[in-house]
Amino acid sequence: EPEVTQTPSHQVTQMGQEVILRCVPISNHLYFYWYRQILGQKVEFLVSFYNNEISEKSEIFDDQFSVERPDGSNFTLKIRSTKLEDSAMYFCASDDRGLTYEQYFGPGTRLTVT
Amino acid sequence: ELKVEQNPLFLSMQEGKNYTIYCNYSTTSDRLYWYRQDPGKSLESLFVLLSNGAVKQEGRLMASLDTKARLSTLHITAAVHDLSATYFCAVKGGTSYGKLTFGQGTILTVHP
Repeated sequence: EPEVTQTPSHQVTQMGQEVILRCVPISNHLYFYWYRQILGQKVEFLVSFYNNEISEKSEIFDDQFSVERPDGSNFTLKIRSTKLEDSAMYFCASDDRGLTYEQYFGPGTRLTVT
Repeated sequence: ELKVEQNPLFLSMQEGKNYTIYCNYSTTSDRLYWYRQDPGKSLESLFVLLSNGAVKQEGRLMASLDTKARLSTLHITAAVHDLSATYFCAVKGGTSYGKLTFGQGTILTVHP
């Protein structure tokens, strides 16, 4: 069964450093999302992406964040200058806007900022 | 702004018992999702509910949607230990492109 994949599974970085989280959505999906989950809390929407542009973004997704689809398969989230409060699990998701409108989530990248 | 509230937030059940988790949302929605999350893991899709009165069942779990009351329920029948997990409902707002707004999650623990 097709699945969303993410790399790395765990990233440790120092405050102020740039990080890039990578995702490979399901191959025939056209809509992509990033969510994050701070430990023990609910899942929060960051951004949605379609046709090479951002469709929606949350207040969390400020100028420190950017997304890109650099080729036909990868979808990346960049955090330019990480803060301690960026420590969280970051999930990528994709959907095909088919009848079920299911959003399939990847396994997540745990980002730890020290 | 769409708000999604679940209750209870913590649920401790005995095996064999029944219980219901409730999910209320504040504005018009055209889709409601239930996800399961095991500790340290990703979100596993359980149900997608698309219309008023929709009911879906899988094993010991049954989900329903009442769009007029803006309420969804996840009913657990004859709980077993393997159902222990965190359950999230998530709502796509009517004007959203696909953004899901999640509830706080219900941590379910099933005891022997």
